[in-house]
Amino acid sequence: KQEVTQIPAALSVPEGENLVLNCSFTDSAIYNLQWFRQDPGKGLTSLLLIQSSQREQTSGRLNASLDKSSGRSTLYIAASQPGDSATYLCAVISVGSNYKLTFGKGTLLTVNP
Amino acid sequence: SAVISQKPSRDICQRGTSLTIQCQVDSQVTMMFWYRQQPGQSLTLIATANQGSEATYESGFVIDKFPISRPNLTFSTLTVSNMSPEDSSIYLCSVETGNGYTFGSGTRLTVV
Repeated sequence: KQEVTQIPAALSVPEGENLVLNCSFTDSAIYNLQWFRQDPGKGLTSLLLIQSSQREQTSGRLNASLDKSSGRSTLYIAASQPGDSATYLCAVISVGSNYKLTFGKGTLLTVNP
Repeated sequence: SAVISQKPSRDICQRGTSLTIQCQVDSQVTMMFWYRQQPGQSLTLIATANQGSEATYESGFVIDKFPISRPNLTFSTLTVSNMSPEDSSIYLCSVETGNGYTFGSGTRLTVV
């Protein structure tokens, strides 16, 4: 059974810092991995999707990497801003899961002005 | 990617009553997914809704408690029946369109 772990559970940084969020998964047989952002009490906003054959994806100040063989992904946020404060969720679609997402518990990021 | 309109965005309901949540997608999709997010927890899949057939429920979720309708390829409803305070959660619908998953804005349900 696929398990997704996100470290750290919470992170507080001053504005302007570069930071890395970590995601690991136990079964490397995945179709893809997706990073989401969730603001309090709201739905999920997709940030980046990495296919299993890809190593990284970039969007603006965000860069996500994938090392499928070791079961790891990182989300790098450059020059953090207070507006980046949210919970960041990592999710994978495993082979044989009928295309269902398995989520980590998320990292709560606070960027202080 | 698809755009999903979900409503209501929030509601406060009396125990024992039912609430129906609606999701409208701006394109036709084969499968729609319904999730629950309990306070402080990550997302748990409730069921997968296919047009023209009964929804497929995950372990721990039953049709009598969470009936789902899927009348066409762009719309689905989830009803939370006979609610108790333990049903207080955020409920989200989701679709996959070949470019990752898109989620609705969520329904924040409080049962009192």
